[in-house]
Amino acid sequence: AQKVTQAQTEISVVEKEDVTLDCVYETRDTTYYLFWYKQPPSGELVFLIRRNSFDEQNEISGRYSWNFQKSTSSFNFTITASQVVDSAVYFCALHTGFQKLVFGTGTRLLVSP
Amino acid sequence: ETGVTQTPRHLVMGMTNKKSLKCEQHLGHNAMYWYKQSAKKPLELMFVYNFKEQTENNSVPSRFSPECPNSSHLFLHLHTLQPEDSALYLCASSQDSADYYEQYFGPGTRLTVT
Repeated sequence: AQKVTQAQTEISVVEKEDVTLDCVYETRDTTYYLFWYKQPPSGELVFLIRRNSFDEQNEISGRYSWNFQKSTSSFNFTITASQVVDSAVYFCALHTGFQKLVFGTGTRLLVSP
Repeated sequence: ETGVTQTPRHLVMGMTNKKSLKCEQHLGHNAMYWYKQSAKKPLELMFVYNFKEQTENNSVPSRFSPECPNSSHLFLHLHTLQPEDSALYLCASSQDSADYYEQYFGPGTRLTVT
């Protein structure tokens, strides 16, 4: 069975702090993709990143970085120097084929000024 | 219009009403999806359409009826709903449902069943 666990329900930080959102996944498939989405208060899920299971290189995009470790089945997301606009719910998701994207329950990030 | 649009953004309906949710994607994608997002629960996939054909029905009650007239439009027809059906209904699209493409989401319809 495929499963995604985001153990952190809510995180509160002060602007300019770094914050890491955890994501642990379960699958028996050798080929899979991992995703992160951001859901601001407007409701729309915004695609942030897609990684495949054969590429463990970490990725950096501006203030965002992702750490993929197959050994611990984790795909963590770090925001450096957080800003108020980063406040949102962040979802990690797993795709193993068969058309289904399995989402975690999300982590609500609150960044205060 | 760009991306994925959904109308209406908010809907309040009684249990005996019939209403429809509309989704349109302007990305040239071939797959479209309906999801249900309830408070404190993971997003639940409801239906998948690929090239206008329904390829997934995730054990959704028959009071929800999808329709996909073409690859750009997706509807969700609602009738005799229950209060527990109140949720945010999200539409998404992707290049093809048979591969690992990222999905792009609309802003959702906030549905309240009274």
